[in-house]
Amino acid sequence: GAVVSQHPSWVICKSGTSVKIECRSLDFQATTMFWYRQFPKQSLMLMATSNEGSKATYEQGVEKDKFLINHASLTLSTLTVTSAHPEDSSFYICSANGASGLAETQYFGPGTRLLVL
Amino acid sequence: GEDVEQSLFLSVREGDSSVINCTYTDSSSTYLYWYKQEPGAGLQLLTYIFSNMDMKQDQRLTVLLNKKDKHLSLRIADTQTGDSAIYFCAESPGGKLIFGQGTELSVKP
Repeated sequence: GAVVSQHPSWVICKSGTSVKIECRSLDFQATTMFWYRQFPKQSLMLMATSNEGSKATYEQGVEKDKFLINHASLTLSTLTVTSAHPEDSSFYICSANGASGLAETQYFGPGTRLLVL
Repeated sequence: GEDVEQSLFLSVREGDSSVINCTYTDSSSTYLYWYKQEPGAGLQLLTYIFSNMDMKQDQRLTVLLNKKDKHLSLRIADTQTGDSAIYFCAESPGGKLIFGQGTELSVKP
């Protein structure tokens, strides 16, 4: 089946630094990727939709200047948390749409756990 | 609006059936989904149902959809300890996925 990877799987950083998380579709091309964040014992909240070659579409309440998304190729999207603070500590999960573009072919990465000290 | 609600916990004994319930609000979702998340991991798509269907069965999984009441359920037959996880239902307005809070299923031997 289709595989989506994320790197790193976990990261600890100091407050004020920036952290980049990569999301790759390993064996298929993804024109659309999604970024979610999940707090402990809570649901996944969609942060933004990333389209290859164009600007990301952010959900209401998500700061686009804080969470920079780049989708430079059909297999790679990156999320950069700029000037991270402890409240940004969370589990970040990406997903990628397969060729059909339908949500039932949306494949999820394993997630990246971010801890900001 | 977009809102998906689930009960937070369910505990069953091994071999019993589990039923996880979900209510949603978006009537435009073409498909409704069930995902499974094991600790510290991403989401695994379990099954999905087309909005014009009432029921879908896939091995031990049965999905029931009541479109009038916007109620979705997932039944797991012969529940095993390996089924212990968090289960999320999701609606899909405009191709996005909107998730419920997740139901933590605990299976006791």
